[in-house]
Amino acid sequence: GAGVSQSPSNKVTEKGKDVELRCDPISGHTALYWYRQSLGQGLEFLIYFQGNSAPDKSGLPSDRFSAERTGGSVSTLTIQRTQQEDSAVYLCASGALGGNTIYFGEGSWLTVV
Amino acid sequence: GENVEQHPSTLSVQEGDSAVIKCTYSDSASNYFPWYKQELGKGPQLIIDIRSNVGEKKDQRIAVTLNKTAKHFSLHITETQPEDSAVYFCAASFGNEKLTFGTGTRLTIIP
Repeated sequence: GAGVSQSPSNKVTEKGKDVELRCDPISGHTALYWYRQSLGQGLEFLIYFQGNSAPDKSGLPSDRFSAERTGGSVSTLTIQRTQQEDSAVYLCASGALGGNTIYFGEGSWLTVV
Repeated sequence: GENVEQHPSTLSVQEGDSAVIKCTYSDSASNYFPWYKQELGKGPQLIIDIRSNVGEKKDQRIAVTLNKTAKHFSLHITETQPEDSAVYFCAASFGNEKLTFGTGTRLTIIP
């Protein structure tokens, strides 16, 4: 597809389990962001990948959160030992090198029960 | 790093009236200012953006103005319609540095 693709679109998991969320950016885009959005709230920055540079991980809320970007394309956000407060929508966005515009996916809705 | 403040957090206007949302930024080097619209259950979508070499940009009923001296920029929506009801986010960045978002404005258009 032409846009940013995220999977799964919905995930229900038990407290304490690990989850992986996947993001397929727009082809050729070198910038990739992960944001978290709790119900009715703003966009909480998590991590930013830009080409081959070291990622900006300053937004990751705890060491239970990690993200990888393989081959400069697909990214996976991993949450270990999930807690109820991790319940939120996780949004991925990508952008082209040299441009600033980013395009969002539809998000992965995570519910921890 | 960049800090973006957005006001108001909620805004209700009568259908047909204008709506204005304002943002201020802290880093004078920032040179790119997009606005995103987020409808319920969806990801944010870019609706308009402006770069620091211009002061105003229009696209039909939507316009953005930029005051570099004061470090603020605004979104103007004229002749509002029910489908304009959504959450709007402003953002700012410089070069390849990460985009910093404001906290969002929930706009409600009253029929």
